[in-house]
Amino acid sequence: KNQVEQSPQSLIILEGKNCTLQCNYTVSPFSNLRWYKQDTGRGPVSLTIMTFSENTKSNGRYTATLDADTKQSSLHITASQLSDSASYICVVTYNNNDMRFGAGTRLTVKP
Amino acid sequence: ETGVTQSPTHLIKTRGQQVTLRCSSQSGHNTVSWYQQALGQGPQFIFQYYREEENGRGNFPPRFSGLQFPNYSSELNVNALELDDSALYLCASSFGTEGPNYGYTFGSGTRLTVV
Repeated sequence: KNQVEQSPQSLIILEGKNCTLQCNYTVSPFSNLRWYKQDTGRGPVSLTIMTFSENTKSNGRYTATLDADTKQSSLHITASQLSDSASYICVVTYNNNDMRFGAGTRLTVKP
Repeated sequence: ETGVTQSPTHLIKTRGQQVTLRCSSQSGHNTVSWYQQALGQGPQFIFQYYREEENGRGNFPPRFSGLQFPNYSSELNVNALELDDSALYLCASSFGTEGPNYGYTFGSGTRLTVV
């Protein structure tokens, strides 16, 4: 069954600290994996996209990794800021045009 | 370049009523996809419109229907509203049907509350 599982469900960290969010998937055949940031009451905004051959991709303080063999991805946030408080959603595309969304990780950054 | 705009931003309806949500796609995009996002959950695919025709549908009943207009804007209609229809409805536009590969732009959503 095509699934995308994210962990943890929620996370609270102090401003300035780093954190890592996880995404495991079982979808096949894999096309690409995206991480989105969704602020409360807003639509998701794409942070990174990774294809099968890419292991790491960075976007500012966000670094995504992909292990296509183990079907795992992570999103690492460095030197967190209050504005990083949001839900982070992992989305896997398979069969070239089908997408499966994870339920998201709710990150809260406290001063 | 304008992004995706959705209207209204918030809406309260009574069970059994009908609702129409609207979406204007990003400039240059000709495909619109609609998603339902329950609180604390990831978005669930409702359907996609490409060239004014439905191009794929998720596991939603027929009372969820849509339209796409020649200017690529779109409507989502929900009949006979149920309490479980309360959610954030997201619209995403893309170019062609390769959105998953070339990228979607999401709107801010319409928060629908059914009472």
